[in-house]
Amino acid sequence: EVQLLESGGRWVQPGGSLRLSCAASGFTFRNSAMSWVRRAPGKGLELVAFISGSSSTTYYADSVKGRFTISKDTSTNSLYLQMDILRAEDTAVYHCAKDLVGASIFDSWGRGTLVTVSS
Amino acid sequence: DIQMTQSPASLSASVGDRVTITCRANQTITGYLHWYQHKPGQAPKLLIYLASTLHTGVPSRFSGSGSGTDFTLTISSLQPEDFATYYCQQGFTTPAVSFGGGTRVEI
Repeated sequence: EVQLLESGGRWVQPGGSLRLSCAASGFTFRNSAMSWVRRAPGKGLELVAFISGSSSTTYYADSVKGRFTISKDTSTNSLYLQMDILRAEDTAVYHCAKDLVGASIFDSWGRGTLVTVSS
Repeated sequence: DIQMTQSPASLSASVGDRVTITCRANQTITGYLHWYQHKPGQAPKLLIYLASTLHTGVPSRFSGSGSGTDFTLTISSLQPEDFATYYCQQGFTTPAVSFGGGTRVEI
């Protein structure tokens, strides 16, 4: 059974940094493309970042480009999202999601971790 | 950027009702359209991918159709566990994908 468990979310002040983690199990993590998707309060889903199975390709939404970094550690089956220069508008529940065939079909998701950016 | 518009934004329905949600793209996405169900505090679930393919384990009362710019998710007979928010997502410009605004299905 595929399991994705996010952690690391908490309250942080604007301009601060945070690293989110996603522990993956139940599938071949090293071969899988992964993404972070967030849902801000009262809003819909938004893709934040994508990393290919080989980690050779990454993609970021314009809203986070230059501030967030996605990475994979295949030795620990973990996905990360380093979030720097956080803004109030980054407040959201962040989900990690597994890609079915590397075509942005998200077939498994975690429950998410809440990030609150506020002074 | 491809914009995805869902309608309605919310709807009220009863158990046993037939429910239809539409999703429109502002340019063609051929068949690269996927549907998700999301309940508060839970992980979103993939229901249908590539417009009409039912994901493993999803009940057959869910179905999807459409191509190009207009797509539909249908629940043939609404069940109590189906009350949730539904999102469409285009994968035409992967990995630069985008989601619809969501449709909340309420009792």
